[in-house]
Amino acid sequence: EPEVTQTPSHQVTQMGQEVILRCVPISNHLYFYWYRQILGQKVEFLVSFYNNEISEKSEIFDDQFSVERPDGSNFTLKIRSTKLEDSAMYFCASRSLHRGPNSYEQYFGPGTRLTVT
Amino acid sequence: DQQVKQNSPSLSVQEGRISILNCDYTNSMFDYFLWYKKYPAEGPTFLISISSIKDKNEDGRFTVFLNKSAKHLSLHIVPSQPGDSAVYFCAARTFGSSGTYKYIFGTGTRLKVLA
Repeated sequence: EPEVTQTPSHQVTQMGQEVILRCVPISNHLYFYWYRQILGQKVEFLVSFYNNEISEKSEIFDDQFSVERPDGSNFTLKIRSTKLEDSAMYFCASRSLHRGPNSYEQYFGPGTRLTVT
Repeated sequence: DQQVKQNSPSLSVQEGRISILNCDYTNSMFDYFLWYKKYPAEGPTFLISISSIKDKNEDGRFTVFLNKSAKHLSLHIVPSQPGDSAVYFCAARTFGSSGTYKYIFGTGTRLKVLA
């Protein structure tokens, strides 16, 4: 069964450093998402991406964040200058374009745990 | 501004009994509601969903009920099994400010099914 993969599984970085979190969505999916979950809190929407551009972003997704689909398979989230409060689990998700009973279902990756020290 | 609320952070149920997980929402523009299950160290996994035009959807042991007037939905698991022990997230879909869909998640309910 196709699945969303994410690398690395755990990233430790120092405050102020740049990090890039990588995701490989399911191959025929065309909508891509990043979410984060701070420990013990809810899953928060960050950004959605379709047709090579951001289609929606939350207030969390400020100028320190950017997303890219550099090569048609990877989908990356970059944080330019990490802050302590960026420490969280980051989930990538993808969704099919096609209509169907579960076409609105998002498939999530296993997540990358980002620890900013 | 918590548009999707799961007021019970945890729930314990005996194996074989019914588990009922609740979710309340405030935005009447949500058009789909979804339930996800999450095990530790894994991403959320889709379980079941319901359109806002329906009041019930059933899939095996899982049934979701929607009460639009009360802005409330619930997930019933019957019979509950130890493997159902996980965190359950309620999510709702709505249009974002740029006209595309976005998904709002609740805070989750940790279900523990006791053998």
